[in-house]
Amino acid sequence: KQEVTQIPAALSVPEGENLVLNCSFTDSAIYNLQWFRQDPGKGLTSLLLIQSSQREQTSGRLNASLDKSSGRSTLYIAASQPGDSATYLCAPCRGAGSYQLTFGKGTKLSVIP
Amino acid sequence: GAVVSQHPSRVICKSGTSVKIECRSLDFQATTMFWYRQFPKQSLMLMATSNEGSKATYEQGVEKDKFLINHASLTLSTLTVTSAHPEDSSFYICSAIASGLRETQYFGPGTRLLVL
Repeated sequence: KQEVTQIPAALSVPEGENLVLNCSFTDSAIYNLQWFRQDPGKGLTSLLLIQSSQREQTSGRLNASLDKSSGRSTLYIAASQPGDSATYLCAPCRGAGSYQLTFGKGTKLSVIP
Repeated sequence: GAVVSQHPSRVICKSGTSVKIECRSLDFQATTMFWYRQFPKQSLMLMATSNEGSKATYEQGVEKDKFLINHASLTLSTLTVTSAHPEDSSFYICSAIASGLRETQYFGPGTRLLVL
């Protein structure tokens, strides 16, 4: 059974700082991995999707890396802004055919103006 | 972009009543939809996978007779919480996979259920 751990559980940084969120998963046989953002009481917004054959994916100020063999992924946020404050969730995908995601508890990010 | 809606966004009900939550893909056809449950400060837990026209596949520990799922069309799946109890109070979120774009799940905004 896939287990996903996200560290740290919470993070508070001043505006403008670069930061890294960590995700580890126990079963490296994944199809892809997604990073999501969740605002309080809201649904999920997909940020980045990394295929199992890829090492990293970039979108704007976000960069996600994947080391499938070691079961790790990181989300790098450059020049953080108060609007980045949210909970960030990592979710590896079980495999083609099922497309089921397993979620970590997330990292709650607060960017202080 | 692909949009998934849920209705209602929030519901309060008395213990013992049944509650139906709808999940709709607004601008695409979804052959597969997923239902998740999220308790406060916890991760999203997959409850069931719903495929259009067939019975849902439930995760271990999820009672299929309590959480009825119907995926009658390519744009609509419903989750009915039968005889709801306070411990069923949670945030229920659905997601959908677009036919032909099977890698990305699009999530609904969630439904907050409070059972008194």
